[in-house]
Amino acid sequence: ELKVEQNPLFLSMQEGKNYTIYCNYSTTSDRLYWYRQDPGKSLESLFVLLSNGAVKQEGRLMASLDTKARLSTLHITAAVHDLSATYFCAVESGNQFYFGTGTSLTVIP
Amino acid sequence: EPEVTQTPSHQVTQMGQEVILRCVPISNHLYFYWYRQILGQKVEFLVSFYNNEISEKSEIFDDQFSVERPDGSNFTLKIRSTKLEDSAMYFCASGSWTGMGTEAFFGQGTRLTVV
Repeated sequence: ELKVEQNPLFLSMQEGKNYTIYCNYSTTSDRLYWYRQDPGKSLESLFVLLSNGAVKQEGRLMASLDTKARLSTLHITAAVHDLSATYFCAVESGNQFYFGTGTSLTVIP
Repeated sequence: EPEVTQTPSHQVTQMGQEVILRCVPISNHLYFYWYRQILGQKVEFLVSFYNNEISEKSEIFDDQFSVERPDGSNFTLKIRSTKLEDSAMYFCASGSWTGMGTEAFFGQGTRLTVV
């Protein structure tokens, strides 16, 4: 079974700082997605990465995909409190999405 | 903006009872999924559906579960003889093929509590 691992699982960072969340997966795939989940809420689509070297940016978040290394990163620039949430990466393979373990991000003043 | 709608938002049921969770996908989407998330844990795949047929299902999706498209548009997930460990948030998603991958949009979820 395809394994998707994220690290860190928990991240507490100060406002204004930068950090990167890593997503490693165990099989060949060039379709990777990032989702945000607020407590008790649904999964909000953030990024769709569909080829090796894909890079997408939205506001303070930037996602990239290296299919050869089976690695995606979600980089946070100058964090603000509104970014506090759980972030999931998901790899599409076959007819399903395999979700990572999630990274719970807390941005503190 | 089109969205995936799930009802009810919260369902409380007694152990052993049957529940039906409903989902209205985004129109013209052809890929459909059910996932669940036990509180604080990872998102688990249950079943995917394409062209009115199940395309893939997980080990979790055993005889206790079934999925239907009763009127050609809406989807239902039926859980028979519910157990305490079925308590979770159940998410429905629909997706469209982008040419290189499937972009899936998730509903708000149904929180199922089995007591």
